[in-house]
Amino acid sequence: GEDVEQSLFLSVREGDSSVINCTYTDSSSTYLYWYKQEPGAGLQLLTYIFSNMDMKQDQRLTVLLNKKDKHLSLRIADTQTGDSAIYFCAEKNTGRRALTFGSGTRLQVQP
Amino acid sequence: SAVISQKPSRDICQRGTSLTIQCQVDSQVTMMFWYRQQPGQSLTLIATANQGSEATYESGFVIDKFPISRPNLTFSTLTVSNMSPEDSSIYLCSAGDSTDTQYFGPGTRLTVL
Repeated sequence: GEDVEQSLFLSVREGDSSVINCTYTDSSSTYLYWYKQEPGAGLQLLTYIFSNMDMKQDQRLTVLLNKKDKHLSLRIADTQTGDSAIYFCAEKNTGRRALTFGSGTRLQVQP
Repeated sequence: SAVISQKPSRDICQRGTSLTIQCQVDSQVTMMFWYRQQPGQSLTLIATANQGSEATYESGFVIDKFPISRPNLTFSTLTVSNMSPEDSSIYLCSAGDSTDTQYFGPGTRLTVL
């Protein structure tokens, strides 16, 4: 079955860049997603990338996809305290309409 | 994008009772899903809510425990039946559109005593 893995915790200083990593096992993944969850809130879709792309940039966010290694990363430039949250990686494949989520990475931004 | 609302936002329930959670989308969507997020955990898919037919449940989830309705393309309900403390979780509704993006509601935080 599908498996999505993330590191559990990342701590950075305000103003630095954050890089959150994700690996997945399903070679038939079509879309890969990054969601943000703030305390007590639902999931906010940050960005997503189609599997035939290797990079997508959206303001402070850069997504890199290495399809050969099944590795996805989210880079947040100029990280702010408001970026402190849990970030979930998720994937979707052609045979399944729902998403498979990673365990989430808790990003702590220190002033 | 789709805007999704859920009711109630939170509830505290007694063991053995049932709670129905409502999910409303501001536009017609193809797919609607229900996920569970147990404390400190990731999201696990409960079922796909199918419009006009029975929901499709994931392994480990059954209709008797989690009956789901989807009477139209913008609305769905999830009932958590005969609750026990192990059902304490956040229940999240999501909706998918034709571009394969999926949006989530704010979640319903359920505590079972």
